[in-house]
Amino acid sequence: SQKIEQNSEALNIQEGKTATLTCNYTNYSPAYLQWYRQDPGRGPVFLLLIRENEKEKRKERLKVTFDTTLKQSLFHITASQPADSATYLCALPNSGNTPLVFGKGTRLSVIA
Amino acid sequence: EPEVTQTPSHQVTQMGQEVILRCVPISNHLYFYWYRQILGQKVEFLVSFYNNEISEKSEIFDDQFSVERPDGSNFTLKIRSTKLEDSAMYFCASSGQGLQETQYFGPGTRLLVL
Repeated sequence: SQKIEQNSEALNIQEGKTATLTCNYTNYSPAYLQWYRQDPGRGPVFLLLIRENEKEKRKERLKVTFDTTLKQSLFHITASQPADSATYLCALPNSGNTPLVFGKGTRLSVIA
Repeated sequence: EPEVTQTPSHQVTQMGQEVILRCVPISNHLYFYWYRQILGQKVEFLVSFYNNEISEKSEIFDDQFSVERPDGSNFTLKIRSTKLEDSAMYFCASSGQGLQETQYFGPGTRLLVL
């Protein structure tokens, strides 16, 4: 089955800097990959979906890349703010169209 | 903006008791899911539901678990005889077009089994 590694459990950055989070997967390349934000005690909130034929996707200060050769997705938050502090989850289908497998997440802290 | 709602927000129960967790998915969505998250661990898929039947389930979703869409708006998860290890946050999610579409999650029910 698909395995996901989000290689930083926690990341601290200074306000205004760009945060870069990494998601690596081990098996076949999925048709798409999603990023979610999760605040403590809350459900995941969808941020971005990128498909296998897309190299990059942007939404406001967020940017996601998808490299099927490296089996990796990078998630960037530019001009980071303290309100961006949360856990960010990478998710992709286990096989074919099956429901999502989540990574353990990276806990981002943006320090003012 | 439409959202998924879940009740109760917290549930405390004794081991061996039955619990029913309730969800109201987004109204025009067709696919419904339950996930759980044990404290400090990752979100894990339990079951997906489409067209009034289970479309996929994980190894976690054993005979103690069942799902139902009793009335066209609610989507429930029943745990027949709770165990200590069932303590977790349970999230309901729904999606519009299918498994390749964005899943919208509810706020979760925190279940504590004593």
